[in-house]
This record gives sequence, C-alpha cells and structure tokens, in this order.
Amino acid sequence: NAGVTQTPKFRILKIGQSMTLQCTQDMNHNYMYWYRQDPGMGLKLIYYSVGAGITDKGEVPNGYNVSRSTTEDFPLRLELAAPSQTSVYFCASIGFFETAPQPQHFGDGTRLSIL
Amino acid sequence: AQTVTQSQPEMSVQEAETVTLSCTYDTSESDYYLFWYKQPPSRQMILVIRQEAYKQQNATENRFSVNFQKAAKSFSLKISDSQLGDAAMYFCAYRSGDNAGGTSYGKLTFGQGTILTVHP
Repeated sequence: NAGVTQTPKFRILKIGQSMTLQCTQDMNHNYMYWYRQDPGMGLKLIYYSVGAGITDKGEVPNGYNVSRSTTEDFPLRLELAAPSQTSVYFCASIGFFETAPQPQHFGDGTRLSIL
Repeated sequence: AQTVTQSQPEMSVQEAETVTLSCTYDTSESDYYLFWYKQPPSRQMILVIRQEAYKQQNATENRFSVNFQKAAKSFSLKISDSQLGDAAMYFCAYRSGDNAGGTSYGKLTFGQGTILTVHP
C-alpha cells in the first residue's frame, strides 16, 4: 500500500515557467489537500477537494490551479512561477469512512525552487 | 477562522530529560480535534499524538503526553525521557469537528512550529 505519492521530489524552475506537481493516493480517499510550507514556517492550505470534480480554495490559492478528475489524483499546477512560490509542497488525503479523528495521510513533499 | 500559535521557535533538552512544547489556539467551535506532528529533516509529517476536544482526559502515547486545557485553549506537548531521535520540528495543528460542515472536513490549521534540539 503506497499511501500518498508525490512527484517530483525536487524541482528547480525559472521565473515564468509552468509545471504540475503530481499527487496520487491508493486508499480510495474522498478528501485531498495541497499545502505549502515556507522555510521555518507551518503548513498553509492552498487548495482542497472533497471528491472527484469538486475543488475549492484554501488560505493561499493565488498562482495555483487544481483539478480532480479521478478519486486517486489531485495535481497542482503552477502557472507563471514566481520566486514567492519557492516552498515545499505537501499533498495529503483522508477518507471519510475512517473512524475519527483520523489524521491526514501526507506525501513526502516536493521541494520547489524558483530562480 | 481558527488560528494556532506556537510561541517557542526553538527549544532544547538534554537526553533523558523532559521538555514541554507550548501551543495555543483560537476558535469559536466547541467540537474539534488537536494534533501534534513531528517533522524530522527527512521532511516527513509524522503524527505524534491526537486529542478530541470532547474528551477531558489528556492523551498519552508512550513518552509523549499532552496537557489539554480547553477553557484556556492551550494544548502543550510533553516529551519524557527525551531521545536523540526526538530532534525535529514539531507542529501543533487544529481540525474542526466532523459536524462543522462537509467542505471543512479534515482541513488542518498549523502553528508556526518549534524546532527541538536534543543534546547528548
């Protein structure tokens, strides 16, 4: 059971480039989340999804887009990368059928640098 | 909106000693959950301990225990018999109760983190 898988683990982008951070989970979880962690700080919610076809903004959504075409996948797209988006990105999921209070299952993160 | 505050950017402890990490939160909700996560240099987010707000009894997990003061909105983590492997960044996190609303389900609000150093 792989859990939550994020790719790539590291990436360097130039200002203005675009890329997609991939996230997939094999636990049939309804709820998925994208967080960013700036150096020395806590995680902040970017976007989340309550199921296939349903997404919503979190605390810091500007500069990002998401889609949820399947239960398993929740990619995060950066358009026109900016230095302020240099961060570590975490994907997480949780299943509604799990007995509360289950914590979120986190991926290992993607370290992204914008130069 | 809920907020979580960790007022100690860094803490240190001698191996085998006890250390307490502080966390306060602000919410108008009565039903919620609180968590402590450990993040070692590997970047993994590892759940340390969890507390349901409706439970008066403080949660314990082996060497880890919490002091949950609901009225004071305080949720501190005590690490006993500290080990070198406990060195990490520790995050306090808040999650609304399951009846808060469907789209709020599972969302976590994190504090800024506390870096714990363990000295041999």
